[in-house]
Order: sequence, then structure tokens, then C-alpha cells
Amino acid sequence: QVQLQESGPGLVKPSQTLSLTCTVSGGSISSGSYYWSWIRQPAGKGLEWIGRIYTSGSTNYNPSLKSRVTISVDTSKNQFSLKLSSVTAADTAVYYCARVRDYLVDYWGQGTLVTVSS
Amino acid sequence: DIQMTQSPSTLSASVGDRVTITCRASQSISSWLAWYQQKPGKAPKLLIYKASSLESGVPSRFSGSGSGTEFTLTISSLQPDDFATYYCQQYNSYWWTFGQGTKVEIK
Repeated sequence: QVQLQESGPGLVKPSQTLSLTCTVSGGSISSGSYYWSWIRQPAGKGLEWIGRIYTSGSTNYNPSLKSRVTISVDTSKNQFSLKLSSVTAADTAVYYCARVRDYLVDYWGQGTLVTVSS
Repeated sequence: DIQMTQSPSTLSASVGDRVTITCRASQSISSWLAWYQQKPGKAPKLLIYKASSLESGVPSRFSGSGSGTEFTLTISSLQPDDFATYYCQQYNSYWWTFGQGTKVEIK
């Protein structure tokens, strides 16, 4: 059974960089044909794709966030990471990491709340 | 981006009711549509994919239909465990997008 777990600071100051890591267990991040994704959800609001990284290492980002987002993978640690720069209060949200199979999210992390505040 | 619009935003219903949620796409997405259920404080769970295919383990009271730009999720007889928020997701285009959600609450 694949499991995903987000980790990282729960509080980030405005203008700084938000950094989160997702640790994958129960399977190798480099095997199979999956996208590893980040999705966020502001309190009381809907879901927003941030970006994804394919097993091959290629990345795709939400056009509205593209200039600020970097997703990378560390296969030796079975982890993938999110960096979101120049954050503002609008970036406050629960951040989920997820595995995408055939364009569908089949495994999710539990989510981690990141608050942007001074 | 393809915009997904769900209606209603909130739906009040009773146990045993038949419930229908609509999702409309801003352009045709063929049948590349999924539905997820999310309960408070939890990650979403996949219910239906390719518009009408039931994910393994999902109760048969859930069903999906539609193609092109209009889709529906139907719960044939609402159960206490079904009070949640439901999201549609299109995966026709390069960039996948979710609807804004429909909350099903107790009447």
C-alpha cells in the first residue's frame, strides 16, 4: 500500500520561499508511470493543482504559478519536493502531495497546513 | 485552461434522497471527467472516472453520466456517510482542473 507524507514548516513569512517535501513509502517513486503532484486547498475553498513531475523527471506547472514554482524529485530518498517563492497570504492553504495514475489521483498525503504570516 | 463549474454549490438533503450534482466544462472534454468525495479534514477520495466508471470499492449507489460539456454525479439513496463535498476534475487538456465543489449537507 502506497503512502505519502508531507513535511515542512507550517509557517512561512511573506516574500519568503515555501518548501515542502513528500516522502513516499510502499513503492518506489521511480518505478511505474506516474505523475507525482502537489495540490493545494485554501480554507473553505476548492482544490488547485500546483504542478506535477513525471517518473522521467519532466515537470508541468500551473500557468498561474509557473514563475514561482519548482518541483523536484530525489529518488535516493524516495521523495519529491515543492518550492514556492515570493509567497503572500494568498498562498495560505492545506498542501497535499499526491500520486497520479492515468491522470487520476489514486493516493493522497494527509495534507499539511501552511500559513503565510509575519 | 478549461473551467469546470459545479452546481449547486450547496445542496441540502435527507437520508434516502436521490441527489444529483452537475458539472459543466467550458469546452468539450469528451468523457475525461472524474468525481471525488472529500470529508472535513481529509484528503479527497476518487469515486468515478471516465465520467461513468465506478472506482473499485465505491458503493453502487454512486453513478456518473455525461459527455462533452455536461456531466452529473448521482447518489441514488443518500446515506449518512455521504454528507461531504464533491469535486469534479477534468483531465482532457494538458492542464487538469477541478470544479469549485458541491457541499452535500443534512437537511
